[in-house]
Amino acid sequence: DADVTQTPRNRITKTGKRIMLECSQTKGHDRMYWYRQDPGLGLRLIYYSFDVKDINKGEISDGYSVSRQAQAKFSLSLESAIPNQTALYFCASSRGARSGYTFGSGTRLTVV
Amino acid sequence: QQQVKQSPQSLIVQKGGISIINCAYENTAFDYFPWYQQFPGKGPALLIAIRPDVSEKKEGRFTISFNKSAKQFSLHIMDSQPGDSATYFCAAGGNTGTASKLTFGTGTRLQVTL
Repeated sequence: DADVTQTPRNRITKTGKRIMLECSQTKGHDRMYWYRQDPGLGLRLIYYSFDVKDINKGEISDGYSVSRQAQAKFSLSLESAIPNQTALYFCASSRGARSGYTFGSGTRLTVV
Repeated sequence: QQQVKQSPQSLIVQKGGISIINCAYENTAFDYFPWYQQFPGKGPALLIAIRPDVSEKKEGRFTISFNKSAKQFSLHIMDSQPGDSATYFCAAGGNTGTASKLTFGTGTRLQVTL
């Protein structure tokens, strides 16, 4: 099994729909992150969590929310999806500030 | 404000050549500089990382060069191979404040031709 698992891998949804992307990790890491990848823009941080009770906004949090259900689980929600949220979404986890991130395989989301 | 600038956006190198990707940062609180490699359909994976107490780190064909005074660091891929064709991201992070999570560059798509 993958260290960081994202579901679903692909999703097409309609404008205005609520959608949740799920992430779970088996690394035992305290820190988890949600990034969005767009061509030419790299990886941009949406939300991050340093432990179950700590949730922080990243640089592009508008239109998104998160829930840290357990140390191993961190979900991302789009309350009312819009077309410019079409992107590749990655979840990652890490042990600390200066340790490597382990990324999931990504969720390709298309909002039509 | 983009804190890590990466160039070039794309790079084509012949097999056996040297691939060089450059990054510059602004936040002086950064003290951890990793590089990630991403293949199509996969998430980024840690390739190599450096701390500012050394100016160079080498792992196999991959070398990071670090210039603290210029706030720049670069990835060199020696003897580039077709299997190195991927997107490469530099990143920077640290232990406090805004540096406590990684900030990524915009990525470089490397193509190694035969």
